[in-house]
Amino acid sequence: QQQVKQSPQSLIVQKGGIPIINCAYENTAFDYFPWYQQFPGKGPALLIAIRPDVSEKKEGRFTISFNKSAKQFSLHIMDSQPGDSATYFCAASITFGNEKLTFGTGTRLTIIP
Amino acid sequence: DTGVSQDPRHKITKRGQNVTFRCDPISEHNRLYWYRQTLGQGPEFLTYFQNEAQLEKSRLLSDRFSAERPKGSFSTLEIQRTEQGDSAMYLCASSSNTRGGSNQPQHFGDGTRLSIL
Repeated sequence: QQQVKQSPQSLIVQKGGIPIINCAYENTAFDYFPWYQQFPGKGPALLIAIRPDVSEKKEGRFTISFNKSAKQFSLHIMDSQPGDSATYFCAASITFGNEKLTFGTGTRLTIIP
Repeated sequence: DTGVSQDPRHKITKRGQNVTFRCDPISEHNRLYWYRQTLGQGPEFLTYFQNEAQLEKSRLLSDRFSAERPKGSFSTLEIQRTEQGDSAMYLCASSSNTRGGSNQPQHFGDGTRLSIL
């Protein structure tokens, strides 16, 4: 059962554009939603995370938008740069349990100069 | 560097052999997680430890897999009688969570890539 659905699978954006990656979840018990960035040959690195009590969170050029009623959240990357080219994963977990992460299938982002 | 360390980075072995991976978490992190990532997919949870106690195992973890964290510090993941379907990246993550939980960030190592011939 895929509990976190992520789209698109791949995305090509010109430098300076705003790529948007979307995720939807099924389990209403999820209450922590991080985004990870992964470069080839490396482990995932945490970018930004949000809890459902806020609708938006910004950290630098990265913004998460969260829609609790729709059970959807998205990542926006402002002023994208070629160095942002990587695979991005959304994830979800439940606080006060084992807090294991359930990941989406990933979005391969390419920023072209 | 005080991040999560995994060893080896790559392992190539023949089907049927046993393999063991090691993970050294960030010091003082009491939680340690193992995930498996196949090509083009997100990581999938395998098991986790709170200190030295293994508290949950995924159904993905067949009886050929065993994990330990004997002193609540480093952890090992062993796969016995490897099969071709075991080929994947095995990722370790650690976090510092106090009793009651607070969803502190999980920090990942760079993984061990296992290839079964």
